[in-house]
Amino acid sequence: AQKVTQAQTEISVVEKEDVTLDCVYETRDTTYYLFWYKQPPSGELVFLIRRNSFDEQNEISGRYSWNFQKSTSSFNFTITASQVVDSAVYFCALSEAGGGNEKLTFGTGTRLTIIP
Amino acid sequence: DAGVIQSPRHEVTEMGQEVTLRCKPISGHDYLFWYRQTMMRGLELLIYFNNNVPIDDSGMPEDRFSAKMPNASFSTLKIQPSEPRDSAVYFCASSLVGLNNEQFFGPGTRLTVL
Repeated sequence: AQKVTQAQTEISVVEKEDVTLDCVYETRDTTYYLFWYKQPPSGELVFLIRRNSFDEQNEISGRYSWNFQKSTSSFNFTITASQVVDSAVYFCALSEAGGGNEKLTFGTGTRLTIIP
Repeated sequence: DAGVIQSPRHEVTEMGQEVTLRCKPISGHDYLFWYRQTMMRGLELLIYFNNNVPIDDSGMPEDRFSAKMPNASFSTLKIQPSEPRDSAVYFCASSLVGLNNEQFFGPGTRLTVL
């Protein structure tokens, strides 16, 4: 069964600090997809990134970067020079490809608070 | 382009009443998903459709829950009878290709069952 663990329930940092959100996953499939979503205080879920299991290259998008390491089954998310607008709950998610088991399983989320 | 549209945004009802949540996916999207979010259980997939056909409803908590998608632009999630433990935020999402691609979420319906 697939599982996503976000051990950090809540994190608070001062504005402009860097922060890393951890995500550890479990799956028996060799082909799978990993996602990060952001849920700001307004409540909607916003897609941030998708990664497939065959692409371990790190990705950078502005102040956001993602570190995918299959050896440790981790897909961590770093925000550089954090801003107050980054305050939100961040969810890591996993889906296994094919085999009739393509459910998107979410972690429990990490609530990030950026202190001005 | 309009995103995923959900109605109502808030619903307060009394135990035992029927509740119907509505969703309009993004035009052209083949997949539609219903999720429930609670503090205790987080985000759970309830059911998803492909081309209006239910594919997996194993996440539906019990027979009191039912979902339909009569056409490509409309889906409903019905709870009958509702119970206080059904109180949650219900999200609808749609995607163009499938589960392994970006899902676009609606704003959610906050349901409170008294």
